[in-house]
Amino acid sequence: GAVVSQHPSWVICKSGTSVKIECRSLDFQATTMFWYRQFPKQSLMLMATSNEGSKATYEQGVEKDKFLINHASLTLSTLTVTSAHPEDSSFYICSARGAGGSDEQFFGPGTRLTVL
Amino acid sequence: GQNIDQPTEMTATEGAIVQINCTYQTSGFNGLFWYQQHAGEAPTFLSYNVLDGLEEKGRFSSFLSRSKGYSYLLLKELQMKDSASYLCAAQDSNYQLIWGAGTKLIIKP
Repeated sequence: GAVVSQHPSWVICKSGTSVKIECRSLDFQATTMFWYRQFPKQSLMLMATSNEGSKATYEQGVEKDKFLINHASLTLSTLTVTSAHPEDSSFYICSARGAGGSDEQFFGPGTRLTVL
Repeated sequence: GQNIDQPTEMTATEGAIVQINCTYQTSGFNGLFWYQQHAGEAPTFLSYNVLDGLEEKGRFSSFLSRSKGYSYLLLKELQMKDSASYLCAAQDSNYQLIWGAGTKLIIKP
């Protein structure tokens, strides 16, 4: 099956620093990538949808200047959490969907961010 | 609005059968997914239904009724490793996933 990787798996950073999370589709071209955030004991929350070569579409309440998304190629999307604060600590998960809108989404393993 | 409802928690016995229900309301419909998520891990894909009926895949089966906006996930011969959260997600007309809050399944010996 299709594989999506994320790097890093976990990261601990100081408040005020920026953190970049990479999401890669390893064996297929992902025309669309999704970024989710999950707080403990809560459902996945969609943060933004990105299509290769165009600006990401952010969900209501998600600050686009704080969560920078770049989908520069068909196999790579990055999420940068700028000026991270402790409340940004969460589990960030990306998923990728190939060409053809009805394809299932393949999830990355997730990145656990802890901001001290 | 768009909405997904599923029970918060269920308990079942090892070796038994359990059915997890999910009802949905979406703007358009392009299929329904079931995912399994163990604590601290990303969800893993279990099933996808877009046509009415039952899809069987080993110990797991998934059912869909589009007219009723209803789906269920059926788990047979439960094993302790099946203890996890089960997420129901409906795909809307824009192919975005609308997620339920998940059902925590507790398996007892």
